[in-house]
Amino acid sequence: DTEVTQTPKHLVMGMTNKKSLKCEQHMGHRAMYWYKQKAKKPPELMFVYSYEKLSINESVPSRFSPECPNSSLLNLHLHALQPEDSALYLCASSHVGVSYGYTFGSGTRLTVV
Amino acid sequence: AQSVTQPDIHITVSEGASLELRCNYSYGATPYLFWYVQSPGQGLQLLLKYFSGDTLVQGIKGFEAEFKRSQSSFNLRKPSVHWSDAAEYFCAVGPLTALIFGKGTTLSVSS
Repeated sequence: DTEVTQTPKHLVMGMTNKKSLKCEQHMGHRAMYWYKQKAKKPPELMFVYSYEKLSINESVPSRFSPECPNSSLLNLHLHALQPEDSALYLCASSHVGVSYGYTFGSGTRLTVV
Repeated sequence: AQSVTQPDIHITVSEGASLELRCNYSYGATPYLFWYVQSPGQGLQLLLKYFSGDTLVQGIKGFEAEFKRSQSSFNLRKPSVHWSDAAEYFCAVGPLTALIFGKGTTLSVSS
């Protein structure tokens, strides 16, 4: 299995809702990443998990809460988001250290209304 | 500081013509360099990567890239572009912990 699977593909949520994004991989990668991508922009790093521990948090607001329950699964819990948080959220995985490159999922298109 | 510059925001190439997308990086040590492609609404797909050895690397879909340390460049090339190559292309540089992406180049292919 050489894929990163993200669910849901599309999500519309109100500013008072709580929702979660899910990311799963079965490639034995021990590093997993969340990126946020606005239209016509490059991906922006949000969080890095290495061996299931949070190793990088790029000063992301607390309304985004990551979780890595095991080596195959990465979640992003969303609460009280703002319309400007609408974006494509990309999950990626890799062996620890970037030399092999990332494998990206196809993303979750999030719209906050 | 580490950074990646893609000087061309948008390039249009005729189908069958050759392509070169430019990428310049700033990194203190030997970099890990990558090219990714993104179709609309999709995730990013790795085209090729370089971190040591032969400075000309071959990737998927007929792409290649050449690492030139003296010019701090890692330009992407394809000898004959197909309409399906129209997409967004991102160059990225890796320090140890996470990739840094350039702003991307949009490739349009005209018939």
